[in-house]
Amino acid sequence: GAGVSQTPSNKVTEKGKYVELRCDPISGHTALYWYRQSLGQGPEFLIYFQGTGAADDSGLPNDRFFAVRPEGSVSTLKIQRTERGDSAVYLCASGAGGNTEAFFGQGTRLTVV
Amino acid sequence: ILNVEQSPQSLHVQEGDSTNFTCSFPSSNFYALHWYRWETAKSPEALFVMTLNGDEKKKGRISATLNTKEGYSYLYIKGSQPEDSATYLCALGGSQGNLIFGKGTKLSVKP
Repeated sequence: GAGVSQTPSNKVTEKGKYVELRCDPISGHTALYWYRQSLGQGPEFLIYFQGTGAADDSGLPNDRFFAVRPEGSVSTLKIQRTERGDSAVYLCASGAGGNTEAFFGQGTRLTVV
Repeated sequence: ILNVEQSPQSLHVQEGDSTNFTCSFPSSNFYALHWYRWETAKSPEALFVMTLNGDEKKKGRISATLNTKEGYSYLYIKGSQPEDSATYLCALGGSQGNLIFGKGTKLSVKP
């Protein structure tokens, strides 16, 4: 069946470059979440969308990070002027919202060299 | 800042052993507690979402309990199998469903 799809699965980029990470949620899911897992840590919340709007972006670490979900389905996480510390696995999850089960993608492993 | 603690950090057991892990969290403003299993190169898979104090849930050989008053949850695996090898993540659910994760317990089951 169609689960949450994230592309690319791996991305290597040079310090200072711009990257976009894509998330295709499960069809019909109104809630979409982005998380980041750094080495040795649990996943860390970045941003939550309900429909097209960012309901909570309090987890974005700084203004180099931005995410959109223009039609309430696919979401793109954008990172400007990447730094080595941005290297992590970026996870996307979708669900019905609230404390219902969230379904995760396999993640995008970003490496900034 | 809310902190979710998991112990142990890693665990090595023999096939057939039963095992359990602990998740502790602040007991105030509780909404839900989530358990996930994350196998290497796969997506994190939801095991349980628990909301009520005293809740007990079971899925096959895996079960979980919740104590919201003292702020802990236990995950039990009965008769561990090599395919149970994974990182088990506990997460506190916020009012909107955003999750605050612990660092996980990495389980290795030797045949």
